[in-house]
Formats: sequence, C-alpha cells, structure tokens
Amino acid sequence: QVQLQESGPGLVKPSQTLSLTCTVSGGSISSGSDYWSWIRQPAGKGLEWIGRIYTSGSTNYNPSLKSRVTISVDTSKNQFSLKLSSVTAADTAVYYCVRGSTSCDYWGQGTLVTVSS
Amino acid sequence: QSALTQPASVSGSPGQSITISCTGTSSDVGTYNLVSWYQQHPGKAPKLMIYEGSKRPSGVSDRFSGSKSGSTASLTISGLQAEDEADYYCSSYAGSSTFVVFGGGTKLTVL
Repeated sequence: QVQLQESGPGLVKPSQTLSLTCTVSGGSISSGSDYWSWIRQPAGKGLEWIGRIYTSGSTNYNPSLKSRVTISVDTSKNQFSLKLSSVTAADTAVYYCVRGSTSCDYWGQGTLVTVSS
Repeated sequence: QSALTQPASVSGSPGQSITISCTGTSSDVGTYNLVSWYQQHPGKAPKLMIYEGSKRPSGVSDRFSGSKSGSTASLTISGLQAEDEADYYCSSYAGSSTFVVFGGGTKLTVL
C-alpha cells in the first residue's frame, strides 16, 4: 500500500519561498510509469492542480503558477518536493502530494501552509 | 473561477439516485476521456471514485458511475446512503499547455 506524507513549515512569510517535501513509502517513486503531483486547497474552496513530475524528472506546471513553481524528485530518498516562490496570502492553503495527475489514486493527508508575517 | 463548472449543491433522500454534472469545453472534457471524480469528506483528503470517465478503482462501490456526453461529464450515485454526503470534484486533462483542471466542487446533502 503506497503512502504519502507531506512535511515542511506550516508558516511562511510573505515574499518568501514555500518549501514542502513528500515522502513516499510502500513503493518506489521511480518504478512504474507514474506522475507525482502537488494539489492545493484554500480553506473552504476547491482543488487547484499545481504541477507534476514524471519518474524521469520531467515536469509540467499550472500555467497560472508556472513562473513561481519548481517540483523536483530525489529518488534516493523516495521523495519529491515543491518550491513556490514569492508567496502571498493567496497561497495559504492545504497542500497535498499525490500519485498521478489526471487520476490521483493515492493522497497524502495534506499539510496546512499559512502565509503571514 | 474554476475551469470546469459544477452545481454548487445537490441533494437527495436515502435510496434515491442523484447526478452531478461537470461542464467543460472542447479543450478538456469534450476532447479527452480523462475525467476523474473525487469524494471529499470534511477534514479529509479527496478519494478517487471514477477515472477515465467511467472506470471505478478497486474498492469503490458500484453505486458510483460516470459518463460523458459532449463536453459534459456526469457522476451518478444510486441508492444514496448517509455516508455519501460529501463534496465531489471533477477534473479533466486539458491538453499539453494547461494539463489538469478541476471543477469548483459540489456539496451533496443526503436528506
């Protein structure tokens, strides 16, 4: 059973960079032909796809966030990561790491990141 | 404003059937058979209920079914149960520029 766990600071100051890591257990992140994605959800609002990384390391991003987002993978640690730069209050949300992109079958529990000074 | 349009809320009584629509365009739902549906209970992560328009992951009840007509996808839940009360989101592949888009979500109330 694949499990995902997000980790990272829960509070980030405006204009700084949000950094989160997703640790995958129960399976290798580099096996198969899977995409690994980040999705966020502001409180009381809907889901927003941030971007994805393939096992080869190739990435795709939401056009509205592309200039600020970097997703990377560390296969030796079975982890993938999210960096979102120049954050504002609008980036406050629960961030989920997931397996898949068009269909996401495994989700982390989510981690709340608040942008505030 | 979400890329895919869903009704804000739907309701039904136990045992009844309901359908949630997800309207996109020829750039997403209308072209690709890559619509997924997720169920989200309060405070929980979403759960995949339907993928590739009509396929159910292992362990998902056959009371849940998906379909598509033109640029509108639909999720039907038959034999409504109290545990089905949740928020439901659709998503679709939207091509190699936009990639993945979501609907705004539909709150299902079981009366």
